[in-house]
Parts: sequence; C-alpha cells; structure tokens
Amino acid sequence: KQEVTQIPAALSVPEGENLVLNCSFTDSAIYNLQWFRQDPGKGLTSLLLIQSSQREQTSGRLNASLDKSSGRSTLYIAASQPGDSATYLCAVLTGGFKTIFGAGTRLFVKA
Amino acid sequence: SQTIHQWPATLVQPVGSPLSLECTVEGTSNPNLYWYRQAAGRGLQLLFYSVGIGQISSEVPQNLSASRPQDRQFILSSKKLLLSDSGFYLCACIAGSTGELFFGEGSRLTVL
Repeated sequence: KQEVTQIPAALSVPEGENLVLNCSFTDSAIYNLQWFRQDPGKGLTSLLLIQSSQREQTSGRLNASLDKSSGRSTLYIAASQPGDSATYLCAVLTGGFKTIFGAGTRLFVKA
Repeated sequence: SQTIHQWPATLVQPVGSPLSLECTVEGTSNPNLYWYRQAAGRGLQLLFYSVGIGQISSEVPQNLSASRPQDRQFILSSKKLLLSDSGFYLCACIAGSTGELFFGEGSRLTVL
C-alpha cells in the first residue's frame, strides 16, 4: 500500500530565506508526483507536476525534484515571501488511477 | 483547460439528515473523477473514484456513496449523516495523458 510522508509538518522562516520541503513515498511504482498549495479554507492549487521519467520541474521560484528509485521528492522555494505562507502537499499517482497525498507541510513566512 | 464546479460551498446539516454534494466538470471529456475528504487539521482521504459513467470504486467503507450519472457529473450522497461526516469535501479530476490532478473549490459540511 502506497504511503506518502512529508517532513517537516510545519515550518516558520523569515522572509527572503530559501527553504526545502521533503516528501517520501513507499512504492516507487508511480505514474507522476505532484506538488500542491492549499490556502486556509480553500481548494488545492497545482504547483508542479513531475512525470515518473523526469528528474525535476521548475516554475518561477519553485523547483521540484524527483528521485523515484529512493522514493523521495523535494520542493525548493527560493527567496520566500509572506505570500508563500500556506500548506504544501505532495501527492503521487499510482497505477490504479489513485492519487495518494501526504499530510502536508504548513509554511509560515514572517515579514 | 478544465474547470470543476462544486456546490453547495457550505452546508450545515443535522445528524440523520440526507446529503447530496454535486460536482461538474467543464472543458474536458472522459475524465477520471474523485471525491476526497479533508477532516480538520488532517490530510486528504480518498473516498471514491470513477473512470467512467456508472463506474464507482470505493476506498473507505463508510456512511457515504457516490454516483456518476453523466460523463462530467459526480455526486456524493448519504442517507443519514453522522457527526463524523463533517469535513471539507473536494472533487477532483484527471483528464489527459499527463495524469495531472485538478481540484474544485470544495464543499464544507458541518453535521450538528
């Protein structure tokens, strides 16, 4: 059974700091890995999608990497801003059409 | 690109009452559709998914059911709500070969 774990559960950093969020999964047989952002009381917004054959994806200040063999992904946020404060979730799409989520990392960026 | 509509956005219901949450998808055809629940302070739990009309797979045995009467319509129902059914319900879809998952804005259910 696929399990997704995110570390840390919560993180507080000063504005301008670079940071890394970690995600690990137990079964390397994934179709893709996706990072989402969720603001309080809102739905999820897709940030980055990495196919199983890819190693990384970049969008603006965000960079996500994937090491499928070791079951790990990282989300790197450069020059963090208060507007980056949100919960970040990692999810993997399995061969059975199911996307399984981690519990998320709550990020707070202090001005 | 696809858009997912969910309603109602907010719902307060007494224990034992019925439930119907609707989700419709625009901008795509033959999507895979999903219902997730997010309890307060917790992660997303996959409840149901559907790969086609009338095809429903249940992930967690519970007080809820799902139906897909049309290609782009997904409904979550209950005959009698429990307090533990309270939560944030999110509809999602995958369309296209990338497998990218998109979400609606969610329906917040409070059972009193």
